[in-house]
Order: sequence, then C-alpha cells, then structure tokens
Amino acid sequence: GAVVSQHPSWVICKSGTSVKIECRSLDFQATTMFWYRQFPKQSLMLMATSNEGSKATYEQGVEKDKFLINHASLTLSTLTVTSAHPEDSSFYICSARDVGRGYNEQFFGPGTRLTVL
Amino acid sequence: GQQVMQIPQYQHVQEGEDFTTYCNSSTTLSNIQWYKQRPGGHPVFLIQLVKSGEVKKQKRLTFQFGEAKKNSSLHITATQTTDVGTYFCAGSPSGGYNKLIFGAGTRLAVHP
Repeated sequence: GAVVSQHPSWVICKSGTSVKIECRSLDFQATTMFWYRQFPKQSLMLMATSNEGSKATYEQGVEKDKFLINHASLTLSTLTVTSAHPEDSSFYICSARDVGRGYNEQFFGPGTRLTVL
Repeated sequence: GQQVMQIPQYQHVQEGEDFTTYCNSSTTLSNIQWYKQRPGGHPVFLIQLVKSGEVKKQKRLTFQFGEAKKNSSLHITATQTTDVGTYFCAGSPSGGYNKLIFGAGTRLAVHP
C-alpha cells in the first residue's frame, strides 16, 4: 500500500513552453502533497505544500506564478512549470501523506526529470 | 530560515565496517525522519523519531534522537553492499507536523 505515482517520468521541452507534472496517490487519500526539486547529487528542496481544495503554500524564493500547483482531488496534485527555461531543468519529486495512517511519513513518487532545451 | 545540517557528505567504507551519519537542526524539531535514496531512485522512508532521547533499531540500523530534539544520528553496523545509497534526515519544525526540511544527505559507498 501507500503508492505514489508521477507522470511523466521524464520530459524534454523547448524553452518558453509549459510542462504539467501529475502526482497521484494510488491507494490512499492525500489531503496534503508536497513538491520538491532535486539537483544532481544534492538534497531535496521543498518547493511547496499542496493542500486539497485550497491554495498551495510556497516556500520562500519559489515563484508561485512560475510553478503553478493544483490539488483538485484527494488523490491528485499537479505542478505546472510555466514558460520553462533551461535553469528549470531538474528532478521534480512529489510526496504525499496518508492521513489515514495517523503518521507523518511521506510517500514519494518516482520523480519526473525535466530537461528544458 | 530553518536549516538541517548533515555530515558527512560522503563516506567510503569497506564491507563489514560501521557507518554513521549525523544531523543537526538549527531549531527544535517536533520529529525527525530518515530516508534512503538508491542511485536513480526516489527517497524511501526508513523511520520516524518523535520523543526526546528516543532510540530505535531496525536490524543493523540504529537511529537516535537527541535529548534537545535538535540532532539525530543513523548508525549502520557491519555494512553490506546493499546499504549503498544516500541517507537523508528530514526534520519537521517544532509546532508543526506538516512539512519536512531535508538535510543534504550522506552518500554511502560500500566496497566489497
């Protein structure tokens, strides 16, 4: 149980285009999901906390108009990188908490590797 | 802002040797979690520590949470090649159980 999927697993796009990444909790409900980005051999940097039915909470330094987050249902959160540029190339990972477990553990998706040309 | 420091950044060991990674937070944490990320993979939850001074064991892994709830350690006894990966600590700020602040991670290489 507690599986999180992400789609796509990788994407290559041209500079200036927008890219949408989906994060789904497959076998549990997630009122809260988290979006991270990870550069090679570096740690996970929390970008934002996505709450079902309300606006996302962005971390300091993360542009909310650049990284649009929507958490429309208890099993789906999306991250849209708008007008992507090469510096946005990174590994984007989502995670979700299974509130039904009463535990703070986060279950991570497999990640999406974004390359902007 | 809140920071979680983790050392060492990288550790080479011979199979059978012990390994320890340390985490230190700039502020008191409500809990600390440990994750392992294999090369090319995503972080996988190992354990959560909540109580001051808590010690938990999972086979060859021993996790500790400091008395002040600001530091933690992961110790692996008699490493095996399957222990290879990056170990991250992640702390929840005091007063909140929501977000996690990740340490930089310790990359463990085990030579047979």
